[in-house]
Amino acid sequence: KAGVTQTPRYLIKTRGQQVTLSCSPISGHRSVSWYQQTPGQGLQFLFEYFSETQRNKGNFPGRFSGRQFSNSRSEMNVSTLELGDSALYLCASSSRTDGTEAFFGQGTRLTVV
Amino acid sequence: AQSVTQLDSHVSVSEGTPVLLRCNYSSSYSPSLFWYVQHPNKGLQLLLKYTSAATLVKGINGFEAEFKKSETSFHLTKPSAHMSDAAEYFCVVSDRVGGFQKLVFGTGTRLLVSP
Repeated sequence: KAGVTQTPRYLIKTRGQQVTLSCSPISGHRSVSWYQQTPGQGLQFLFEYFSETQRNKGNFPGRFSGRQFSNSRSEMNVSTLELGDSALYLCASSSRTDGTEAFFGQGTRLTVV
Repeated sequence: AQSVTQLDSHVSVSEGTPVLLRCNYSSSYSPSLFWYVQHPNKGLQLLLKYTSAATLVKGINGFEAEFKKSETSFHLTKPSAHMSDAAEYFCVVSDRVGGFQKLVFGTGTRLLVSP
């Protein structure tokens, strides 16, 4: 069974641009969560989707958004990039309806210059 | 809100010696607790989980953790460290928000293993 797949693995963007990251969950998993990992703030929850609905959102500005498609694949978008958005963005999927016991992808390393 | 505290930012051991990574949790109800490991430039891998069944939980790669309610602890142990265990370890609690769960991560413990 394939794991969680995130694309692209690495991205370099300029301040002010926008970016879209993609996540394909493990087959059959309907819950997809996104996390931001930085050296200063650690791992922080961004949002969680289940069956195309955002169920939970972390404390991030509105520039961060996401969506989930009918095949459970998810995208997250960051608009008007800031230097502080440089981070490892991790996607996790779960077969549980409560979204726990999550399996993580390898992440997308975003660098904003 | 639930939270976890990892008591050590770095732990150094020699290969073949025991590993102890400490974690305390704060929860207003019976928590679900997890340990994840992250190797350099990799994603997070689930090591083990506690979900109110047996208090001693066995995970992958010889790791285990014991849930102690009286001490609000969930320490991770391994009898004998291997070089490949060098990584960052995260203690995680599942927090219930509006009926749904999200994972709350500790700040991580970096395990260094010397030959």
